[in-house]
Amino acid sequence: DQQVKQNSPSLSVQEGRISILNCDYTNSMFDYFLWYKKYPAEGPTFLISISSIKDKNEDGRFTVFLNKSAKHLSLHIVPSQPGDSAVYFCAGLTDSWGKLQFGAGTQVVVTP
Amino acid sequence: NAGVMQNPRHLVRRRGQEARLRCSPMKGHSHVYWYRQLPEEGLKFMVYLQKENIIDESGMPKERFSAEFPKEGPSILRIQQVVRGDSAAYFCASSDLPSSRTGNTEAFFGQGTRLTVV
Repeated sequence: DQQVKQNSPSLSVQEGRISILNCDYTNSMFDYFLWYKKYPAEGPTFLISISSIKDKNEDGRFTVFLNKSAKHLSLHIVPSQPGDSAVYFCAGLTDSWGKLQFGAGTQVVVTP
Repeated sequence: NAGVMQNPRHLVRRRGQEARLRCSPMKGHSHVYWYRQLPEEGLKFMVYLQKENIIDESGMPKERFSAEFPKEGPSILRIQQVVRGDSAAYFCASSDLPSSRTGNTEAFFGQGTRLTVV
């Protein structure tokens, strides 16, 4: 039962351009959505989150948009930097215990 | 303030052996979560523990897997009689509050233990 889906396994973008990562979900009960960034051989690092009652949250170069009617969210990174090359996971936060449901991840490669 | 510490970083076990994975949460954190990442997949929730209590183990396989978080010491994920399919990266996360109260910004992940079963 895949409740969170990231259908693009990889994304290549030029330095300075915008990176757009997409995520779809099926569980209407998620309270929050989160994006994590992961480098090889390291644990995921929290990036940005959005409450299910909001439609946009911005933090520096990172903006997350939520479209509840479409059950879709996206992460925009602008401008993209070489250090942004990593795997990005979308996750939904379900129930009061803090259990995260992760997507399969999108590998982002930022080229010079 | 040290982050979430997991050890060992890499663990090799032969089929049928036991694997013990340790997780020391961040100082002051009393909530621990274990996740498993299989190759080419996202992280899958396994179990949520507070000190001396298992709160949610809905993601744990019904056999061979167990977890504990004793009053003193690290949280332990134990896999008995390992099989090749157990090979994965196991991540631990900790927080000081149930994450849904604040949007999970307080949940921090360790670097993971990569288990290889040969």
